Amino acid sequence: DTGVSQDPRHKITKRGQNVTFRCDPISEHNRLYWYRQTLGQGPEFLTYFQNEAQLEKSRLLSDRFSAERPKGSFSTLEIQRTEQGDSAMYLCASTPGRSSYEQYFGPGTRLTVT
Amino acid sequence: AQKITQTQPGMFVQEKEAVTLDCTYDTSDPSYGLFWYKQPSSGEMIFLIYQGSYDQQNATEGRYSLNFQKARKSANLVISASQLGDSAMYFCAMREWNRDDKIIFGKGTRLHILP
Repeated sequence: DTGVSQDPRHKITKRGQNVTFRCDPISEHNRLYWYRQTLGQGPEFLTYFQNEAQLEKSRLLSDRFSAERPKGSFSTLEIQRTEQGDSAMYLCASTPGRSSYEQYFGPGTRLTVT
Repeated sequence: AQKITQTQPGMFVQEKEAVTLDCTYDTSDPSYGLFWYKQPSSGEMIFLIYQGSYDQQNATEGRYSLNFQKARKSANLVISASQLGDSAMYFCAMREWNRDDKIIFGKGTRLHILP
């Protein structure tokens, strides 16, 4: 296994632009999670997928945020009309299934909104 | 109310000394798991150790051990014989097995190992 990968690693965008991040989980991991981490804080849960089904969304995930996992493999997180408050590290994690306690994290995508 | 509390924003420890990072938690779910993750400056979250609420013995993984005191709702991480490479942010986290599938993280402790 090559681990969880995320692309891009860094993104600088202007306020109001749309951005999309990609996460490739460990192969055959059917659960995929998105977290957001702001400076000086721990990661905060955003949403998660069981295969292609999005099972839970945090209240943090406003209607400007959308996540997909169309084929149950990679996932995308899109932020529309970015705001400066969206600047954060976006972390993706995957796990083989619900009973697995360890979540394997990717390196994250650092978003800076200017 | 915060579910995970880490009261030490930062710590400085001499190399080769043992260090204890504090964590208290709050839950009414009898079935839960406690985690510690390390986050170096590069940003990735590295899983260190896990303790289940029904585990009778404290978890250990190499130089890491978890001092689990259930009645006090405490899950401190002990790092023995600290190394310069241990300098990082450390996050305590919890998962409530009967509630949902997210992991709740504390605010973290930044550990500095001094040569």
